[in-house]
Amino acid sequence: DSGVTQTPKHLITATGQRVTLRCSPRSGDLSVYWYQQSLDQGLQFLIQYYNGEERAKGNILERFSAQQFPDLHSELNLSSLELGDSALYFCASSDSGRALNEQFFGPGTRLTVL
Amino acid sequence: TQLLEQSPQFLSIQEGENLTVYCNSSSVFSSLQWYRQEPGEGPVLLVTVVTGGEVKKLKRLTFQFGDARKDSSLHITAAQPGDTGLYLCAGRSNYQLIWGAGTKLIIKP
Repeated sequence: DSGVTQTPKHLITATGQRVTLRCSPRSGDLSVYWYQQSLDQGLQFLIQYYNGEERAKGNILERFSAQQFPDLHSELNLSSLELGDSALYFCASSDSGRALNEQFFGPGTRLTVL
Repeated sequence: TQLLEQSPQFLSIQEGENLTVYCNSSSVFSSLQWYRQEPGEGPVLLVTVVTGGEVKKLKRLTFQFGDARKDSSLHITAAQPGDTGLYLCAGRSNYQLIWGAGTKLIIKP
């Protein structure tokens, strides 16, 4: 158990819909990272927050947005969903804003868009 | 654009055999991490290498960072079914980790 929690574990929805994925980092970790992983593929970095502020942006679509709240939990919002958005979405946390530090990953949310 | 290429993409071998997987780039990274991901779970960090030429050992796993810090390798000795998983390398660039696509490893008993 990494100490990072993600909800929901599974999510099935239809094209055009909007969903929110939630992540609670390990106690004391200030950084949250969001990743997308398509079937049997590597990780695509989406976005990083550090102590409530956006720190780095990766290949995140304009239809996607995220935020980190004062209690440090984070939400990833995916809107106007397309079939190609079906993937595993992982949240990771670390204790600093530096990517060098070990990232602890949550169990992921499997999103299926029908 | 910085890229990390991992090879092979897929490897299936018998228990007891040795294997090496590679992580290559044309870019220099200040450090490189190796993660293992088991089905249905998130990746877990195995090791971080920082210095060019550095070698780290973790039981039967040996990790090496290239002298020029552009490449890395992971060698597994006497592979076991418990080594099965997706092995991902990630190189540090500023505040981000640049991820390879992974090597899917299956060890057959």
